[in-house]
Amino acid sequence: TQLLEQSPQFLSIQEGENLTVYCNSSSVFSSLQWYRQEPGEGPVLLVTVVTGGEVKKLKRLTFQFGDARKDSSLHITAAQPGDTGLYLCAGVRTGANNLFFGTGTRLTVIP
Amino acid sequence: GAGVSQSPSNKVTEKGKDVELRCDPISGHTALYWYRQSLGQGLEFLIYFQGNSAPDKSGLPSDRFSAERTGGSVSTLTIQRTQQEDSAVYLCASSLVKGWDTEAFFGQGTRLTVV
Repeated sequence: TQLLEQSPQFLSIQEGENLTVYCNSSSVFSSLQWYRQEPGEGPVLLVTVVTGGEVKKLKRLTFQFGDARKDSSLHITAAQPGDTGLYLCAGVRTGANNLFFGTGTRLTVIP
Repeated sequence: GAGVSQSPSNKVTEKGKDVELRCDPISGHTALYWYRQSLGQGLEFLIYFQGNSAPDKSGLPSDRFSAERTGGSVSTLTIQRTQQEDSAVYLCASSLVKGWDTEAFFGQGTRLTVV
C-alpha cells in the first residue's frame, strides 16, 4: 500500500488544455513537495507547500495543500509540450524526516 | 562536481550474483535516501540515513538488501543473490534537513538489469 496515491496515473492532453493532478493520503504531512522527472534523470523539485490551505503559483502551475495537510493538487493551465514528464508528489510525515514519494502521474502534452 | 553522483550508471548482472551501488551525496548534506523506481513508476522508499542516527530501513524489501553510509558521506547499497524482480533504476538523493525544508537532490540513478 502506497502512502501517497496520485491520480490519474496517466494523462494525455492536447496543447493548450488545462489539467489537474491529485495527491492523496490518509496521513498528515508537515510538508508536501512536487517534483518533475524527465527520462534518464532524477526528479527535480518544483515546489514545497507547508501550511494547510496554502496555494503557490509557479508560472502556469498552481499547487495547493489541503486544509488538513493530507492531500495536494497540481493544476497546469494551458499545457505545453515542454510540460511532458512524470510528476511526483512527496511528503514528510509529521514527526519524521524521511521523504515518501507518490505513485506518479505521467503527463503527455501533444502539440 | 556539485551534484549527487551515482555509479555505475548501468549494471547488468546474472541472477544470483551480488551487486554494489554507490552514491556520493552533495558535500555537507546530512540526509541520504535510496529509492527504487520501476519503469515509469513512482519511487519506492528503501532506506534513509540522517546524520549519526540509526538509519530507517523500513523500506528494504528483503534481507538481501542492505546499505551503509561511511563517515556520514558516501553510501553503498548492496543487493545479495540478485533476482530478476530486482531490475529497476536505483536512485539516491541527499538533502539538508532544516525543519520542513527537505528538498531532495537526486543523482541520475543506476539502472540495474538482472538477467
